[in-house]
Amino acid sequence: DQQVKQNSPSLSVQEGRISILNCDYTNSMFDYFLWYKKYPAEGPTFLISISSIKDKNEDGRFTVFLNKSAKHLSLHIVPSQPGDSAVYFCAASARSGGGADGLTFGKGTHLIIQP
Amino acid sequence: DSGVTQTPKHLITATGQRVTLRCSPRSGDLSVYWYQQSLDQGLQFLIQYYNGEERAKGNILERFSAQQFPDLHSELNLSSLELGDSALYFCASSAGGFQSNEQFFGPGTRLTVL
Repeated sequence: DQQVKQNSPSLSVQEGRISILNCDYTNSMFDYFLWYKKYPAEGPTFLISISSIKDKNEDGRFTVFLNKSAKHLSLHIVPSQPGDSAVYFCAASARSGGGADGLTFGKGTHLIIQP
Repeated sequence: DSGVTQTPKHLITATGQRVTLRCSPRSGDLSVYWYQQSLDQGLQFLIQYYNGEERAKGNILERFSAQQFPDLHSELNLSSLELGDSALYFCASSAGGFQSNEQFFGPGTRLTVL
């Protein structure tokens, strides 16, 4: 049973416009959420994270929104650039008061930025 | 460059064999994580070590084992290999502790079992 779901396998956005990637989760114990970007033949690269005590975190062109009641988070990239074309993974963790543990990943969304 | 190194980059072996994958975490990071990425399962957490001790276990098979050494590098041992073990294996590291959970990934080892 998938605890982290990214329902859009791919997304095409025009350069300069906003890219919105969505992620849903089912496990109420998740309290920390992360987005990773991955190019082929490379490891995932950390982009941005958000704790469950916040509803928004911003870092440059990247903003993550968290809606705990809906168990939904989204990553906004604005403006989108050609170098943003990659697979984006949503990940979640239940830090459970003791420290870090393994991340649960969604299956990814392939973002394609059109010139 | 995340600062996490993994060797080898590629590994081709036969069914029934045993292999060892190696990971060096970022300087100062105490936690090491192993993940498997296969085509059908996506990225799956296998196991975590923190400062030499096993901290958390995910979907790791009994044929697989790991350890973290005093210099904090880690090895993932895969034995009695099957065709289905062919995958990308990633190592990640983090500072550990409660304050931060960002994990930084290495470039991966591609294992092919023939």
